Amino acid sequence: DAKTTQPPSMDCAEGRAANLPCNHSTISGNEYVYWYRQIHSQGPQYIIHGLKNNETNEMASLIITEDRKSSTLILPHATLRDTAVYYCIARPNFGNEKLTFGTGTRLTIIP
Amino acid sequence: GAVVSQHPSWVICKSGTSVKIECRSLDFQATTMFWYRQFPKQSLMLMATSNEGSKATYEQGVEKDKFLINHASLTLSTLTVTSAHPEDSSFYICSARDTGGLMETQYFGPGTRLLVL
Repeated sequence: DAKTTQPPSMDCAEGRAANLPCNHSTISGNEYVYWYRQIHSQGPQYIIHGLKNNETNEMASLIITEDRKSSTLILPHATLRDTAVYYCIARPNFGNEKLTFGTGTRLTIIP
Repeated sequence: GAVVSQHPSWVICKSGTSVKIECRSLDFQATTMFWYRQFPKQSLMLMATSNEGSKATYEQGVEKDKFLINHASLTLSTLTVTSAHPEDSSFYICSARDTGGLMETQYFGPGTRLLVL
């Protein structure tokens, strides 16, 4: 799996958009970008994933640069319940590929 | 999204005893499940990959005789911590790979907190 780099921590005001960056400059052509988050003392929660097109679902939007070397997860209207550690992972979508978790970004939503 | 459950959610046991943790995929079949361990203030570390009907694949440094994994059906995998010791106290999390659709996604259970006294 390609290595990903994320800032260790970020703050965001409640109600504002939270933009979480991820660098994956060594990503290969068959690797997707996955985002998970882990709220304290819970299992990770799947958020979104994409290959090269921007993706949006009910939780978030994923913007992937044209060269696929970086991406941004956007939480459009952050709430206090979005406080969590967010993990960006690059891996092939098929096959028996495991998820390798890095240190992630600790996002704190400020009231 | 798909739901994965774990049981128990927490367990306290005496040193030397064995503890079994169950992981179930509730609304999908999972030929592959994964077991992770997370120590305080650290990230998740993969312990083993569990395949239905075959032996589990363990990550380097994980003792297969201490952490017994059984994946007897498409919806259930179990992790047994044998002869648990205080250093085995951790947060154990399973995930199940949903291969039912076009895209494969791993969904995680809520975790089991183990405290060995």
